[in-house]
Amino acid sequence: AQSVTQLGSHVSVSEGALVLLRCNYSSSVPPYLFWYVQYPNQGLQLLLKYTTGATLVKGINGFEAEFKKSETSFHLTKPSAHMSDAAEYFCAVSLSGNTPLVFGKGTRLSVIA
Amino acid sequence: GAVVSQHPSRVICKSGTSVKIECRSLDFQATTMFWYRQFPKKSLMLMATSNEGSKATYEQGVEKDKFLINHASLTLSTLTVTSAHPEDSSFYICSAVDRVNQPQHFGDGTRLSIL
Repeated sequence: AQSVTQLGSHVSVSEGALVLLRCNYSSSVPPYLFWYVQYPNQGLQLLLKYTTGATLVKGINGFEAEFKKSETSFHLTKPSAHMSDAAEYFCAVSLSGNTPLVFGKGTRLSVIA
Repeated sequence: GAVVSQHPSRVICKSGTSVKIECRSLDFQATTMFWYRQFPKKSLMLMATSNEGSKATYEQGVEKDKFLINHASLTLSTLTVTSAHPEDSSFYICSAVDRVNQPQHFGDGTRLSIL
């Protein structure tokens, strides 16, 4: 079975500060890993994904994540937070691209001016 | 890019009403669609997997007679909440996968409120 743990249900950063959202996963097979962002009353938007290959993955809006197998982690970072980054972020794992996603509980990011 | 359209975006209705939610892949053929449910301030939980032309596969604890799923074509899956009650109020989101094993594309979700 697969599972995802997101440390911190709420993270608050100042505008311009580093964003770090933590995600650890459990999977019996090499995982597909994803980060999604959700704005209020909207669906999910894919930020980035890791399937195979390069472990540092760059996504949209300046976000990136690094797959660390030894740590079973896939933390999301952004060097400088913008007010528009305030949203709910979900880390997810799946067995492949067309199997269901298992989501973490989400981390709400607040950006303070 | 690939687009998934989900309709309606919001439904408010009386208890006992049946509500149909549509999920359409607009520019690709979706062999598989997934239906998720999100409780307030909670994560998304998979309800069922819908494959075109076959019966949906429901997750444990999801009532198949309550949540009817139909995937009659490669671009459309529907979720019908039958005889909805207040406890069915939730945010329902669909996603679709194309043939090329790419990441799932999500609809914008449906906010269902049962009075």
